[in-house]
Amino acid sequence: DAGVTQSPTHLIKTRGQQVTLRCSPKSGHDTVSWYQQALGQGPQFIFQYYEEEERQRGNFPDRFSGHQFPNYSSELNVNALLLGDSALYLCASSFSGANVLTFGAGSRLTVL
Amino acid sequence: QQQVKQSPQSLIVQKGGISIINCAYENTAFDYFPWYQQFPGKGPALLIAIRPDVSEKKEGRFTISFNKSAKQFSLHIMDSQPGDSATYFCAARGNNNDMRFGAGTRLTVKP
Repeated sequence: DAGVTQSPTHLIKTRGQQVTLRCSPKSGHDTVSWYQQALGQGPQFIFQYYEEEERQRGNFPDRFSGHQFPNYSSELNVNALLLGDSALYLCASSFSGANVLTFGAGSRLTVL
Repeated sequence: QQQVKQSPQSLIVQKGGISIINCAYENTAFDYFPWYQQFPGKGPALLIAIRPDVSEKKEGRFTISFNKSAKQFSLHIMDSQPGDSATYFCAARGNNNDMRFGAGTRLTVKP
């Protein structure tokens, strides 16, 4: 049973560019949350998607947006990239907002 | 945004010893307190979790102790093994269903 899969695993962008990260949740899960993990820090909650709608949002600017598709997969979009956006972006899935989160291995974004 | 304070930042323990990691929180609305284990190049994986109406939970070598009045909780790893070497994160679930993570503790278990 595949867990949470994320793509791409690594990518390099320059300031001002836009990036799209993708996530396929664990089979049977319908809720997707996105987290940003800066080097040496704990994950920070970006937002959560359920039933194709953003249900909750953390303290992140509007440059961060997302989408959930009917098959529960999700995308994270970041516009106007800043150097400070360099981080590991983690996707976590769960069933109907249950407590247990299953994380993917993440997408490491480097902004130059 | 980070409302969970975790210590120590790093910890070195001899094989067979006890590893103890502490966390403190401020928001009394938190209702679920998990610990995650993260190996390099991997995402965090749930290790053990507790609810605030329970003072202790044990699963194998891993125990969570929870002190609601002090708003503190800790992870104890008994008989620590080199394979336990990883980064450990405490977390707390907020009333918006979002998980708030501590900054992490890098545990090294020496053989």
